[in-house]
Amino acid sequence: AQKITQTQPGMFVQEKEAVTLDCTYDTSDQSYGLFWYKQPSSGEMIFLIYQGSYDEQNATEGRYSLNFQKARKSANLVISASQLGDSAMYFCAMRAGAGGTSYGKLTFGQGTILTVHP
Amino acid sequence: AAGVIQSPRHLIKEKRETATLKCYPIPRHDTVYWYQQGPGQDPQFLISFYEKMQSDKGSIPDRFSAQQFSDYHSELNMSSLELGDSALYFCASSLANYEQYFGPGTRLTVT
Repeated sequence: AQKITQTQPGMFVQEKEAVTLDCTYDTSDQSYGLFWYKQPSSGEMIFLIYQGSYDEQNATEGRYSLNFQKARKSANLVISASQLGDSAMYFCAMRAGAGGTSYGKLTFGQGTILTVHP
Repeated sequence: AAGVIQSPRHLIKEKRETATLKCYPIPRHDTVYWYQQGPGQDPQFLISFYEKMQSDKGSIPDRFSAQQFSDYHSELNMSSLELGDSALYFCASSLANYEQYFGPGTRLTVT
């Protein structure tokens, strides 16, 4: 079974500063994928970034980067140059198995509410 | 780029009624997932389909059923609705089990 833990219920950051959202995971699988999603108050679930367990480089997508530390089982999201529009709930999620297989349900963490102050 | 389409976006039903939620995945995506997100909670996996066959099942009540059709759209059927079924229901799709892209969700309110 997979477990995702997000220990920060809420985080505050000043506009234009960087912020790190923590995520630790637990799994016995050798192959897995890690995801971050953003959920604004409107409710939609927006895909941000993906890291495969065998990827040697940390994933980056624009202002988002994933600090993947496999030995510590952590997959922290770093948002650089925060913007007011970044205020939202952020979920870390895990998928068992590698890409290319026929299964892939996501297990989510509890989420972190990020508030960006002007 | 085309996204996942869900309909309806909002649905109000009374207890013991039935509801049908529809999902149209991103074209050429081969897997569809359904998730339920209760108020203030994280999404919980319900069921998934790979190439129109059920591929995995989570904590889906027996009152719920789902299927994927030949055109790859999927429907989640919910019967004997209870107050606790009020939630945001997401459909997501992926190609070859890589990134999952979520639809906008259907907000179901049971009164």
